[in-house]
Amino acid sequence: KNEVEQSPQNLTAQEGEFITINCSYSVGISALHWLQQHPGGGIVSLFMLSSGKKKHGRLIATINIQEKHSSLHITASHPRDSAVYICALFSGTYKYIFGTGTRLKVLA
Amino acid sequence: GAGVSQSPRYKVTKRGQDVALRCDPISGHVSLYWYRQALGQGPEFLTYFNYEAQQDKSGLPNDRFSAERPEGSISTLTIQRTEQRDSAMYRCASSLGTDTQYFGPGTRLTVL
Repeated sequence: KNEVEQSPQNLTAQEGEFITINCSYSVGISALHWLQQHPGGGIVSLFMLSSGKKKHGRLIATINIQEKHSSLHITASHPRDSAVYICALFSGTYKYIFGTGTRLKVLA
Repeated sequence: GAGVSQSPRYKVTKRGQDVALRCDPISGHVSLYWYRQALGQGPEFLTYFNYEAQQDKSGLPNDRFSAERPEGSISTLTIQRTEQRDSAMYRCASSLGTDTQYFGPGTRLTVL
């Protein structure tokens, strides 16, 4: 079993839809990082969180450390949100453990 | 510079050739990481530097892969005698300490 699993692997949504991407993990962590990988390949950091909830614009990230689960929500989705969203575990050392990503496509 | 830069952005080479991939981290970042990302997969850890010291090279696939960061800034990942299975996106990231990592644009390596 992988240490970190994301679901769904692929997601197609219509513009304006509310989107949820899930990340479940099985190891102890100190923080969890949500990354966005653009179609061109660049990786952008969205959130790093260790508890509760963070919001930035239309993006909301939540984490439940006890349940070992995090979600990334996108409200009022837009085609420019189309990207791969990657969950990465941070154990407090230098290593990230990466999920395989969720490929999101938002249709106009 | 403002962000992590990598060069070349694209590299096509013939099997058996050596390649050197360069990473220029954000100024002042002491930690530098190399990752490899296959198509459709998340990044895979290769190696980590703290200043010039290579603290962890457990992710390097075999002894054809090596990395250095001689002055604690720019780093080079070298692949000797390349094989087709080495084709991937090679990413570099840097961080101030062991916190948020900032990723470079990557070098897409294609071995023919």
